[in-house]
Amino acid sequence: KQEVTQIPAALSVPEGENLVLNCSFTDSAIYNLQWFRQDPGKGLTSLLLIQSSQREQTSGRLNASLDKSSGRSTLYIAASQPGDSATYLCAVCTGGSEKLVFGKGTKLTVNP
Amino acid sequence: DVKVTQSSRYLVKRTGEKVFLECVQDMDHENMFWYRQDPGLGLRLIYFSYDVKMKEKGDIPEGYSVSREKKERFSLILESASTNQTSMYLCASSLSSRRGTNNEQFFGPGTRLTVL
Repeated sequence: KQEVTQIPAALSVPEGENLVLNCSFTDSAIYNLQWFRQDPGKGLTSLLLIQSSQREQTSGRLNASLDKSSGRSTLYIAASQPGDSATYLCAVCTGGSEKLVFGKGTKLTVNP
Repeated sequence: DVKVTQSSRYLVKRTGEKVFLECVQDMDHENMFWYRQDPGLGLRLIYFSYDVKMKEKGDIPEGYSVSREKKERFSLILESASTNQTSMYLCASSLSSRRGTNNEQFFGPGTRLTVL
């Protein structure tokens, strides 16, 4: 059974810092991996999706990498801003399924 | 842009009431999902539908049912609401991976349900 882990559960950084959020999964037979952002009391916003054949995806200040063989993905946020404060969730879609398995998220606080 | 809408942002119901949560997507997606999100437990899949009138149980289907009569609409039904169903309910949709495209999931804004 696929399990997704995100460490740390919470992270606090000063504004301007570059940071990395981690995601690990137990079954490397994935179809894709998706990173989401969630603001308090709101739905999830899709940030990046990496297909199993890709190594990374970039969108603005965000860069997500995927290492299937080691069961890891990272989300790199450059030059963090207070507006980046949110919970970031990682989810994997296992091959042959349409469903996502979610990690419990990393709550990021960027201090001005 | 994909748009997923949910019928209510906040809902308060009494124990034993029948509750309907509605979700509509406007991008002709085959797949639709209902999740609940609780502190410390993360997102858990309740039900999944991969086509009109087709459904599949998720991880926690007990106490819930679903209906998908039209492709764009997916309803979650609490037949007799209980206090342990107080939660944030999130709907999502995606294209089918059978189309050969990525099946990126898009979420609605959520419904905060309180059962008294």
